Amino acid sequence: SSELTQDPTVSVALGQTVTITCQGDILTKFYASWYQQKPGQAPLLVIYHGNKRPSGIPDRFSASDSGNTASLTITGTQAEDEADYYCSSRGGGASHYWVFGGGTKLTVL
Amino acid sequence: QLHLQESGPGLVKPSETLSLTCTVSGGSIITSDHYWAWIRQSPGKGLEWIMSSYYSGSIYYNPSLESRVTFSADTSKNKFSLKLTSVTAADTAIYYCARDMATGGTADFDYWGQGILVTVSS
Repeated sequence: SSELTQDPTVSVALGQTVTITCQGDILTKFYASWYQQKPGQAPLLVIYHGNKRPSGIPDRFSASDSGNTASLTITGTQAEDEADYYCSSRGGGASHYWVFGGGTKLTVL
Repeated sequence: QLHLQESGPGLVKPSETLSLTCTVSGGSIITSDHYWAWIRQSPGKGLEWIMSSYYSGSIYYNPSLESRVTFSADTSKNKFSLKLTSVTAADTAIYYCARDMATGGTADFDYWGQGILVTVSS
């Protein structure tokens, strides 16, 4: 299956740790990447190739995977982390076909 | 610092062709290390990858859009373009151009344009 499933909404108290998950059969074979999108802005790559952080992304962002689930963890969540988060991965057997999850809206309380 | 900027009409009539250009500054599109990509986002909805390509070809398409999309690059102007034919209201979206890191096996887009809203309406 080429679908990636995310919980539509997640909330976290300021300063706490939150995990956002992404499920899909393809994740048993390929890594996920993660994007943060704030209102009116383009997505920002926060995790690539499974668990790597691009330059400039705070180390409170980390990722892991287990079976068919990829997870993005934010440790010590800040108010500015409130955003939509999208996972992405391969869309299936094709070597260069990408799909995104439906997104998770993270609310920081 | 790489910068990408989309340009093109914000309104396209149904059945016509949507044409967008992405101008890249701060780096050259002539590279074998990265692809150049188009991604769209319908209003209030999620992201949809359209296609990625090297500047010289080797184009990869979203199967659901492959029959309607064309990629081209103008290396002299450091730009690349998207054409989407036979548009309908379902093609109304914010269109982003982005750099595809070509890391192998993962969808890694590390630089994005600000996006351009294209509305399909008569």
